[in-house]
Amino acid sequence: DQQVKQNSPSLSVQEGRISILNCDYTNSMFDYFLWYKKYPAEGPTFLISISSIKDKNEDGRFTVFLNKSAKHLSLHIVPSQPGDSAVYFCAASAYNQGGKLIFGQGTELSVKP
Amino acid sequence: EAGVAQSPRYKIIEKRQSVAFWCNPISGHATLYWYQQILGQGPKLLIQFQNNGVVDDSQLPKDRFSAERLKGVDSTLKIQPAKLEDSAVYLCASSLDRLEKNIQYFGAGTRLSVL
Repeated sequence: DQQVKQNSPSLSVQEGRISILNCDYTNSMFDYFLWYKKYPAEGPTFLISISSIKDKNEDGRFTVFLNKSAKHLSLHIVPSQPGDSAVYFCAASAYNQGGKLIFGQGTELSVKP
Repeated sequence: EAGVAQSPRYKIIEKRQSVAFWCNPISGHATLYWYQQILGQGPKLLIQFQNNGVVDDSQLPKDRFSAERLKGVDSTLKIQPAKLEDSAVYLCASSLDRLEKNIQYFGAGTRLSVL
């Protein structure tokens, strides 16, 4: 039972353009969502998060949007840079699960110069 | 501030052998997590500690996997005996506490290959 899904295994974007990574979830109890970025041979690094009481959170070039009715969130990177090339994981947690994170499968972003 | 330290970085063993992984979390972090990441998938939680007590081990295959967190700091994860399907990256993470909105910080992981 995949509670968090990232349906696009890969995405290729031109430098300077917008990257949009998508994530869907099924568990309506999730109320906190995070995006992690992972380079090869390194552990995932926290990027940005959003609580279910908000529909948008912005941090520099990164913005996360949450649509609770559609159980969908997205990460926008503007403008995209070659250094953003990595695997991006969406993760979710529920208030009654003590911080346990459920991860999606990941989307590999490639930003071409 | 030092990050989460894990060792070894790589391990190759034959099936039915045993193996152990070590994790040192960020200083002061009460909660420690072990995840298994199979190629092409996201990390899956195996076990969660709060200080030296187990909070969640529902996904840990207890017939072959064991973990402990001595004195609420370092932790070891053991597999005995290993199976081919245990080939994965084992990630350790820590957070200040186990509240849902705490950020988890990950180590670089141990890549295990079972032949």
